[in-house]
Amino acid sequence: DAGITQSPRHKVTETGTPVTLRCHQTENHRYMYWYRQDPGHGLRLIHYSYGVKDTDKGEVSDGYSVSRSKTEDFLLTLESATSSQTSVYFCAISDRASRTGYQETQYFGPGTRLLVL
Amino acid sequence: QQQVKQSPQSLIVQKGGISIINCAYENTAFDYFPWYQQFPGKGPALLIAIRPDVSEKKEGRFTISFNKSAKQFSLHIMDSQPGDSATYFCAAFNAGGTSYGKLTFGQGTILTVHP
Repeated sequence: DAGITQSPRHKVTETGTPVTLRCHQTENHRYMYWYRQDPGHGLRLIHYSYGVKDTDKGEVSDGYSVSRSKTEDFLLTLESATSSQTSVYFCAISDRASRTGYQETQYFGPGTRLLVL
Repeated sequence: QQQVKQSPQSLIVQKGGISIINCAYENTAFDYFPWYQQFPGKGPALLIAIRPDVSEKKEGRFTISFNKSAKQFSLHIMDSQPGDSATYFCAAFNAGGTSYGKLTFGQGTILTVHP
């Protein structure tokens, strides 16, 4: 398995509280991603990072923010958690060597199960 | 539009049978189509992938068929085994334009292979 850890693995929180999820990698990959997985929706991209301090929004970024101060760490913050953010959150990493002839393989972490009451 | 539509949502197959999962996309700029496999409690993992310049790719019991004109691709699992029971996601990747560097995933198919 790629060296990706996520913490916490499980969390229960209350509506309105801030929550931070951490993704840590030991692969020195440049690209990092945060997805949420919900039944019937597959995996949806929240935010991604293409380098230290370089981030961009995905398709479901409202209510989420991210930070990447080091190559190995990518933090996802739910600014004020809502019940609609109850989900399983996955971090992924990739390292594309070039724009031509590459294969976009993303390696996923084990996930964080978040319940917002 | 960045959409990938996957069907069926769930699939039950007997051991030894063929499992077929279909995906369709809209954006002709997609240029790489991977399939990911996810076991319960785990993150997805790359299973097999294809580029649009070929119509078929086979790795062991797993085959991707790709129809560029129809904008469709499918995963075939031959001689399905109970160990293949998992959730399968198709995906599409765009190397350029405003969607540089992102995978768009289908909705997922839960495959159950009965012994």
